Amino acid sequence: SQTIHQWPATLVQPVGSPLSLECTVEGTSNPNLYWYRQAAGRGLQLLFYSVGIGQISSEVPQNLSASRPQDRQFILSSKKLLLSDSGFYLCAWSYGWNEQFFGPGTRLTVL
Amino acid sequence: QQQVKQSPQSLIVQKGGISIINCAYENTAFDYFPWYQQFPGKGPALLIAIRPDVSEKKEGRFTISFNKSAKQFSLHIMDSQPGDSATYFCAASSQETSGSRLTFGEGTQLTVNP
Repeated sequence: SQTIHQWPATLVQPVGSPLSLECTVEGTSNPNLYWYRQAAGRGLQLLFYSVGIGQISSEVPQNLSASRPQDRQFILSSKKLLLSDSGFYLCAWSYGWNEQFFGPGTRLTVL
Repeated sequence: QQQVKQSPQSLIVQKGGISIINCAYENTAFDYFPWYQQFPGKGPALLIAIRPDVSEKKEGRFTISFNKSAKQFSLHIMDSQPGDSATYFCAASSQETSGSRLTFGEGTQLTVNP
């Protein structure tokens, strides 16, 4: 069966510090991978998606970047965090079309 | 045209009642409509999904009704239980869209009172 992991589960970072969130998927190969952000009490905003190694598409201009160094690894990064980067970050995967499965999420607080 | 509009924003139902959440879309290319359930502090979990070749899909107490001409779909939760209290998101996507991107509604916070 497929499993998706995210770490860390929670993170508190000062403004201006760097960020690295990691997502890995087990039990599948060549999945589509996604990064979402969810503000408190709000819906899901797609940040990045990837259909293969090194292939990243950005949905919105922002202070964040994504990379896919390996088939089942997806990394979300920032060089300098802003207060507005606080939120609940979710990684998801899909195999083929449509059905997406989410990870447990990372709660990021920028102070 | 990419929006999915979800209502209501919040819903309170008594135990045993029927919870109904509605979504509407504009993009006629959408051909996959999932519903996700999210508990506080957790990632969304796929609950049930439908494709436009059927008008209804039922899985246990959860039913999706789909109206292609009206471009609307809804989630019905029969015999609602306190354990159903969560945020529900509808979504839509098209196979024409590269990367299988889902467009999400804004979510409905469901509270089922005992």
